[in-house]
Amino acid sequence: AQTVTQSQPEMSVQEAETVTLSCTYDTSENNYYLFWYKQPPSRQMILVIRQEAYKQQNATENRFSVNFQKAAKSFSLKISDSQLGDTAMYFCAFKSYTGTASKLTFGTGTRLQVTL
Amino acid sequence: GAVVSQHPSWVICKSGTSVKIECRSLDFQATTMFWYRQFPKQSLMLMATSNEGSKATYEQGVEKDKFLINHASLTLSTLTVTSAHPEDSSFYICSANDPGLAVGAYNEQFFGPGTRLTVL
Repeated sequence: AQTVTQSQPEMSVQEAETVTLSCTYDTSENNYYLFWYKQPPSRQMILVIRQEAYKQQNATENRFSVNFQKAAKSFSLKISDSQLGDTAMYFCAFKSYTGTASKLTFGTGTRLQVTL
Repeated sequence: GAVVSQHPSWVICKSGTSVKIECRSLDFQATTMFWYRQFPKQSLMLMATSNEGSKATYEQGVEKDKFLINHASLTLSTLTVTSAHPEDSSFYICSANDPGLAVGAYNEQFFGPGTRLTVL
């Protein structure tokens, strides 16, 4: 079974600064997907960024980018130019490559607070 | 596109009663829906995977007789919490796949806004 670990329960960053959220995972599979989801106070889950394990290039999405280290099973999220609207819970998640309807396994989450 | 709704958004019930939560895909047909449970300040825990027209697959430790899941159509799945007790109070979230958006083995899950259940 896959496990996803987020070792930072809470993080704080000042507006316009950069912050990195950590995530490690454990799997015996070679092909899989990794995700970062954002859950703001509204509790609506929002997909931030996705990484396919077979791609060496790190995914980027505007101010959000990842550092994917497959050998180390590490998948960190960098948020640049942090904005107040980035305040939320961030969950790292793993999805097996086998089967389009395979389930997501979530980490425990990191609460990010963006301050003025 | 790819909107998932849940109803109700919150519900309060007395201990011993049953509560039904609906999950609908509004603009796509969802062959698979997932039900999650989230306790305060905790992560999402998958309860079951629901496939249209067949029995749900429950995760280990989830009581299938207590959490009844029905996926009778391609746009609707329901979760019924039977004989609810205060320990069932939680935030329940559903998600759905849109097979029409599948790219290879990747098929994004779209999440509903969640339902807060409080059992008195």
